[in-house]
Amino acid sequence: DQQVKQNSPSLSVQEGRISILNCDYTNSMFDYFLWYKKYPAEGPTFLISISSIKDKNEDGRFTVFLNKSAKHLSLHIVPSQPGDSAVYFCAASASGTSYGKLTFGQGTILTVHP
Amino acid sequence: ETGVTQTPRHLVMGMTNKKSLKCEQHLGHNAMYWYKQSAKKPLELMFVYNFKEQTENNSVPSRFSPECPNSSHLFLHLHTLQPEDSALYLCASSQAGGTSYEQYFGPGTRLTVT
Repeated sequence: DQQVKQNSPSLSVQEGRISILNCDYTNSMFDYFLWYKKYPAEGPTFLISISSIKDKNEDGRFTVFLNKSAKHLSLHIVPSQPGDSAVYFCAASASGTSYGKLTFGQGTILTVHP
Repeated sequence: ETGVTQTPRHLVMGMTNKKSLKCEQHLGHNAMYWYKQSAKKPLELMFVYNFKEQTENNSVPSRFSPECPNSSHLFLHLHTLQPEDSALYLCASSQAGGTSYEQYFGPGTRLTVT
């Protein structure tokens, strides 16, 4: 049973436009959410996170939105740049579980065209 | 060296071989993790070490044997693997006991079992 799902395997966006990556979760115990970016031949790199006490967190061009009632989070990238082309993973953690246990989605490949 | 390093980056081994993967973190963290990423699947947590003690074993077969001699080094000893164990193995570290859950990943070891 996959508790974190990214239903779009890929997304293609024009440079300068907005990229919206989506993630759904089923475990209501999750209370901390993260987004990671992964380039080929590299490990995932932490991008941005959000605690369940918030519904929005912003860092430069990246904003994460959390809708707890819908068990849905999204990552907005504005404006998108070709260097943003990568695989994006969302991950979730439940603070009551053993420390450090992150559950990942299967990833969305973002391609930003010049 | 900075961040999290992993060696070797690529490994090809037969099913009767014994090999080890090495991970080293230079971030002063006290928690380390092994993940497996198979094609088109989410990252799967294998093992968690907090302060050198194993706190999570995610039902991993005994042919994978982790070792954490100190909070900076983590090994994954491999023996009598199966072809389905071919995958990208990622090491990560984090600071346990804080309020955030960010993990920092190494570049991974691409393992092929023949």
